[in-house]
Amino acid sequence: DIVMTQSPDSLAVSLGERATISCKSSRTVLSSSNNKNYLAWYQQKPGQPPKLLISWASTRESGVPDRFSGSGSGTDFTLTISSLQAEDVAVYYCHQYYSIPPHSFGQGTKLEI
Amino acid sequence: EVQLVQSGAEVKKAGESLKISCTISGYSFANRWIGWVRQMPGKGLDWMGIIYPGNSDTRYNPFFQGQVTISADISVSTAYLQWSSLRASDTAMYYCARLVGPQQLPWYFDLWGRGTLVTVSS
Repeated sequence: DIVMTQSPDSLAVSLGERATISCKSSRTVLSSSNNKNYLAWYQQKPGQPPKLLISWASTRESGVPDRFSGSGSGTDFTLTISSLQAEDVAVYYCHQYYSIPPHSFGQGTKLEI
Repeated sequence: EVQLVQSGAEVKKAGESLKISCTISGYSFANRWIGWVRQMPGKGLDWMGIIYPGNSDTRYNPFFQGQVTISADISVSTAYLQWSSLRASDTAMYYCARLVGPQQLPWYFDLWGRGTLVTVSS
């Protein structure tokens, strides 16, 4: 199985500053057949279910603010929040869907102000 | 509007059986994968398994294989997660979620239910 490891486990960032979360996979999630990275990012606020932010490593979902961006390829990925807002306080998870199921999540990164 | 409505919170004793549900509306239930994700108290997300209701193709995380059963009933657009004998360690929030992707190779979760809290006392 592919193991996803996020860093850091928790992160404190000031309002308006940049937040960067890393996600590394134990094997590549880049498909050679279509050159796509099978990697998604979710945001989970307290008491709520997760919400899809980004798919294919860098494709933002409709309605997701453009301060959220995803980058990376192969085994190393990053979620960046360019200017942190109070409503961005949450736990963020990466998710690989490259492998034949089971898929796997990172352990989560708690983002605080 | 697409909705995934999960059944209510459950309080059970170890050894009891349980079946929780996820009822879908707003799209064709048969043609999209539905998955279950566990979140233990204060912990992260665990990918449990998925089902394609159209043909009942089911894929489990080996960690959960044999511990739970995932099923679906197209006639009522509902997916289920069940246990035959609960353990205290099954105490968790369980989310159902819809997957994007073809039948042959499901991809990511695009919509989530609000979760069903299962509490098991020993």
